[in-house]
Amino acid sequence: EAQVTQNPRYLITVTGKKLTVTCSQNMNHEYMSWYRQDPGLGLRQIYYSMNVEATDKGDVPEGYKVSRKEKRNFPLILESPSPNQTSLYFCASSLNLGLAGATYNEQFFGPGTRLTVL
Amino acid sequence: GIQVEQSPPDLILQEGANSTLRCNFSDSVNNLQWFHQNPWGQLINLFYIPSGTKQNGRLSATTVATERYSLLYISSSQTTDSGVYFCAVEVEDFGNEKLTFGTGTRLTIIP
Repeated sequence: EAQVTQNPRYLITVTGKKLTVTCSQNMNHEYMSWYRQDPGLGLRQIYYSMNVEATDKGDVPEGYKVSRKEKRNFPLILESPSPNQTSLYFCASSLNLGLAGATYNEQFFGPGTRLTVL
Repeated sequence: GIQVEQSPPDLILQEGANSTLRCNFSDSVNNLQWFHQNPWGQLINLFYIPSGTKQNGRLSATTVATERYSLLYISSSQTTDSGVYFCAVEVEDFGNEKLTFGTGTRLTIIP
């Protein structure tokens, strides 16, 4: 089954304890991205990756790191989590056939990770 | 940046009713998608519809790109249709396929 998976689905942690949220897709997609969803602020992009070893900042990258060593995986790393990073996190992926003039593709989202930082 | 507005913000309907949700956007877009966020928080893809009309069972969607709006139709509503419906658009941004989400329509279906 074609899908985007995230782990863990739920996590309660404490300030300063490093954590990683994994994201994996089995559709051979080039493009992957992380969003966070907060009440009143909607979904905001954290980081994105156009392909292996190609990552860039989104709108709210502070406090987060990512890596893209393999096409299928795009982990989100919180080196020193703080309470303002309590949120619902989504990973997304799409095929991305290229830049201007190419066909753009449907994006698929993972099931979400509900993170609470105490 | 692009503005995405959805209406109505809230909708309460009896089971079996029909509804139309609207999404207006302020600029040309490369991509438009409709999502359903269920009570567990999951974002379910409904339609990828940058233009034209599509149907999937009781749901259908129409996007008129030249007039910068999209409509989602839900017929014969069921309680499982409850949740928040988002439209999301993508604009050209040097390869970043960032989706800008609307504020959503919260749909509640009463048995």
